Amino acid sequence: GESVGLHLPTLSVQEGDNSIINCAYSNSASDYFIWYKQESGKGPQFIIDIRSNMDKRQGQRVTVLLNKTVKHLSLQIAATQPGDSAVYFCAETPRQAGTALIFGKGTTLSVSS
Amino acid sequence: DTGVSQNPRHKITKRGQNVTFRCDPISEHNRLYWYRQTLGQGPEFLTYFQNEAQLEKSRLLSDRFSAERPKGSFSTLEIQRTEQGDSAMYLCASSLHGLAGSDTQYFGPGTRLTVL
Repeated sequence: GESVGLHLPTLSVQEGDNSIINCAYSNSASDYFIWYKQESGKGPQFIIDIRSNMDKRQGQRVTVLLNKTVKHLSLQIAATQPGDSAVYFCAETPRQAGTALIFGKGTTLSVSS
Repeated sequence: DTGVSQNPRHKITKRGQNVTFRCDPISEHNRLYWYRQTLGQGPEFLTYFQNEAQLEKSRLLSDRFSAERPKGSFSTLEIQRTEQGDSAMYLCASSLHGLAGSDTQYFGPGTRLTVL
């Protein structure tokens, strides 16, 4: 089916470590992918996106990698901080960007200092 | 703060009552989306508008749900005859679609609905 899944429901890291959050998607027709961060009681916050014609994109302390061969998406957070603690969702658009997003279940990142 | 606002932030109602939520998108954004999120799950798409036109509706959007965006700016989501299964966080997002837009969806803080 058309769904976005995550490999691990939880991830615990120490402050200063690099974090890698993984996501597998099933629809090879998807052409737009986004990572969101959601803190308790708040709406999802945009982190970074990538289109299917790219395999890597970097932002501030974050990098998204897209492997279309194995339909895998990852979010790398450098020098993880306690403020990075949240639930992280990957989302995909099976059609053109700007239409419905399909979200996975999320990975809860806990950063201890 | 993304610039998308939602009201109310919390709503408690009794089963069978009607509720209405409002979303104000980022002012220049032409697309507006509604999602529903239950505890421990990712958001699920309900519907979206481009300007005042409702372009897509999910099969999750039962006949009891109706959304409008009459002037292409704010939107309302109404649930009639609420059921306990409607309890969830209702999220609104907006994006700028077109040559000058990135289509990135920015979310509001959500309206948490509790149906007793």
